[in-house]
Amino acid sequence: SAVISQKPSRDICQRGTSLTIQCQVDSQVTMMFWYRQQPGQSLTLIATANQGSEATYESGFVIDKFPISRPNLTFSTLTVSNMSPEDSSIYLCSVEDPPGSYEQYFGPGTRLTVT
Amino acid sequence: AQSVSQHNHHVILSEAASLELGCNYSYGGTVNLFWYVQYPGQHLQLLLKYFSGDPLVKGIKGFEAEFIKSKFSFNLRKPSVQWSDTAEYFCAVTSHSSASKIIFGSGTRLSIRP
Repeated sequence: SAVISQKPSRDICQRGTSLTIQCQVDSQVTMMFWYRQQPGQSLTLIATANQGSEATYESGFVIDKFPISRPNLTFSTLTVSNMSPEDSSIYLCSVEDPPGSYEQYFGPGTRLTVT
Repeated sequence: AQSVSQHNHHVILSEAASLELGCNYSYGGTVNLFWYVQYPGQHLQLLLKYFSGDPLVKGIKGFEAEFIKSKFSFNLRKPSVQWSDTAEYFCAVTSHSSASKIIFGSGTRLSIRP
């Protein structure tokens, strides 16, 4: 299965600033996903990021707030823009591996606290 | 809209006790079902999955789950738990028409007393 790393593992940010989270995979994958896990809640899909196309956002999430890049088949970034305390969450990336299997493997997550 | 319900938020058991964690989903079409586990300080990991065929599926570490279509359920079981099973367990579902979009349940925290 794919091995996924994320940077940073955690950060404390001030209101109004932006943070970019990196996700690196050790193999080429077609589909990458970004999730949010708010305190005490389950995982919610933010968007699907395929290389070579615009990310597809779920209801309630917009590109201006969560811009995503997918420059190649092993890397993606998620930016949390103009942060507020409500953005305090764990952000996780995942990949589908192998392609078409519907099985997703998750990174360790980035714990974000906004003050 | 699809949803997944896990009614047990926190379960506390003694070692060697039997485990059953409930999971119900709401979706009328054909689904894929998953259980994920997150051990303390570790990544979310796939425990087992059901796509089709035998409704009783076996996963890693002695876990199994049974898909009961008539009850829209996919309960997780283990006959004898160990202290190392302490973790958060998430049930999840995807539909065949939107197979890469996983809907997660709220999770069940399992604590095992040594």
